[in-house]
Amino acid sequence: DADVTQTPRNRITKTGKRIMLECSQTKGHDRMYWYRQDPGLGLRLIYYSFDVKDINKGEISDGYSVSRQAQAKFSLSLESAIPNQTALYFCATSDSSAGGGGYTFGSGTRLTVV
Amino acid sequence: GENVGLHLPTLSVQEGDNSIINCAYSNSASDYFIWYKQESGKGPQFIIDIRSNMDKRQGQRVTVLLNKTVKHLSLQIAATQPGDSAVYFCAENPNAGGTSYGKLTFGQGTILTVHP
Repeated sequence: DADVTQTPRNRITKTGKRIMLECSQTKGHDRMYWYRQDPGLGLRLIYYSFDVKDINKGEISDGYSVSRQAQAKFSLSLESAIPNQTALYFCATSDSSAGGGGYTFGSGTRLTVV
Repeated sequence: GENVGLHLPTLSVQEGDNSIINCAYSNSASDYFIWYKQESGKGPQFIIDIRSNMDKRQGQRVTVLLNKTVKHLSLQIAATQPGDSAVYFCAENPNAGGTSYGKLTFGQGTILTVHP
């Protein structure tokens, strides 16, 4: 099983619909992140959580919300999907220790809003 | 505003050649840097990292060089193989150290294509 699992892998939804992307991890990491990837723009941070009771906005949080249901679960919601939210979404985890190693990423969710 | 439609930098090499991928980072306070490899249809995968108290670090077939004076990071891949074809991202952590390991900022990425 993957260390970081994202569901669904692919989703097509209509404008105005609410949609939830889910992420679960078996790494035991306390920190979790949601990123969005668009062609030519790299990875941009939507929201992040440093522990279950900590939720923070990233650089592009408008139109999104998150829920940290448990240490291992971090879900991203699009309250009312719009076409420019069509993108590849990645969940990532990290350890709060200073040991390094960066993030562990999931395989991504490709979302298309029509 | 967003720079929609930008093309990623590309690097094409022949199998067996050495590859050098460059990255300019933005924050002079960043003290931890990472290179990621992203293959088609997959999430980014950790390749190698370096802390700012070093200027060079070697892994298996990969070397990362850090020049803090000009805020430049490079990834060298020796004897490049077709399986190395991917998008490569650099990332910087402006708040590394102690318990403040923070949020990574990612570069735009470079597409590496290795021809057999």
